[in-house]
Amino acid sequence: AQSVSQHNHHVILSEAASLELGCNYSYGGTVNLFWYVQYPGQHLQLLLKYFSGDPLVKGIKGFEAEFIKSKFSFNLRKPSVQWSDTAEYFCAVSSFSSASKIIFGSGTRLSIRP
Amino acid sequence: DGGITQSPKYLFRKEGQNVTLSCEQNLNHDAMYWYRQDPGQGLRLIYYSQIVNDFQKGDIAEGYSVSREKKESFPLTVTSAQKNPTAFYLCASTHPGGSPTDTQYFGPGTRLTVL
Repeated sequence: AQSVSQHNHHVILSEAASLELGCNYSYGGTVNLFWYVQYPGQHLQLLLKYFSGDPLVKGIKGFEAEFIKSKFSFNLRKPSVQWSDTAEYFCAVSSFSSASKIIFGSGTRLSIRP
Repeated sequence: DGGITQSPKYLFRKEGQNVTLSCEQNLNHDAMYWYRQDPGQGLRLIYYSQIVNDFQKGDIAEGYSVSREKKESFPLTVTSAQKNPTAFYLCASTHPGGSPTDTQYFGPGTRLTVL
């Protein structure tokens, strides 16, 4: 069965620090990968997604993620975080053969100190 | 404005009672989903529907039921058989056609508390 692991439950950074949030998935076939973000009091929304092509994907607000197939990973990065990046971040995966079923990770809460 | 609405925002229920959570979308999306969000567990899929009058169980369907009589609406009933119903419930939908790469659009959620 597919699964998604986000090992960092809570990350605390100062403004301007670099960010990397880990995401590993278990599935042997072709996958689609997503990062969603939930800002305090707001709807869950898509940050970026990968389905084919360049493994380095750029999303909104300066975020990017790299798909490393050999490591089954899709880590989220941002070179310099801002206080407004405080949110909960969810990695998600769907298989190409069963695209309607998206599996979410447990989430990583990011707190940015001003 | 296009979007997904969920009502009510907060819901309280006594043990042993069924309760129905509303989800409506005006995005013309074919597929709709219900997730449950618990602290430290992320989102878990309860039910999903790819087309009107059709729906499939997700990973944690026991104690829940759904209907999809209209494209715009996908109500979720939490029955008394659900052992631990207190949670945050999120409804989502995707673009027509259900492409594998489609983005899911989420509603604001309903927080259900069983007293």
